[in-house]
Amino acid sequence: GQQVMQIPQYQHVQEGEDFTTYCNSSTTLSNIQWYKQRPGGHPVFLIQLVKSGEVKKQKRLTFQFGEAKKNSSLHITATQTTDVGTYFCAGRGPSNDYKLSFGAGTTVTVRA
Amino acid sequence: DGGITQSPKYLFRKEGQNVTLSCEQNLNHDAMYWYRQDPGQGLRLIYYSQIVNDFQKGDIAEGYSVSREKKESFPLTVTSAQKNPTAFYLCASSIEGSGTEAFFGQGTRLTVV
Repeated sequence: GQQVMQIPQYQHVQEGEDFTTYCNSSTTLSNIQWYKQRPGGHPVFLIQLVKSGEVKKQKRLTFQFGEAKKNSSLHITATQTTDVGTYFCAGRGPSNDYKLSFGAGTTVTVRA
Repeated sequence: DGGITQSPKYLFRKEGQNVTLSCEQNLNHDAMYWYRQDPGQGLRLIYYSQIVNDFQKGDIAEGYSVSREKKESFPLTVTSAQKNPTAFYLCASSIEGSGTEAFFGQGTRLTVV
């Protein structure tokens, strides 16, 4: 079945530095979504990528979908304390399949 | 206000008892999901439903049961057969299954003693 793997599990970042989290699927995805969960909160949708090779930016966050639609990345530049939390990728299989599978998440802590 | 509501926020049960977690949405969403979250394991899918009176097993359905008798409601029962029920449970919904974002409830933290 569809599995989504995410690395690294933990990312400790100095404020102002950049970092990247990676997401890989065992199967081709119809789209991939990214969510952020703040400590003590629930996941909140950030963005969705649909097209092969798609790149989208949200301020300091850059999201990329691989050419084969099996991997994705999230790159954050100039990390701030507000970036603390866990970032999840979530993938969907064929368009008629409602299953939404999440990766294990990357938990980010920031050193001021 | 539109949204997805889980209740209660904290729940304590004795081992061997079944317990039902509530999830209600007034967003008119077709799809609903239940996830379990444990430290270091992300969100694991328990059950999902695409439409009323229909649901599918996720990746860790054993020891759980659901029903979808109404579009707005998707309760999850944690049965005594679930070996490790203590966890944070999250319910989500989306307009349709494919290509739309999921909205999450606040979660229910279940502790079985």
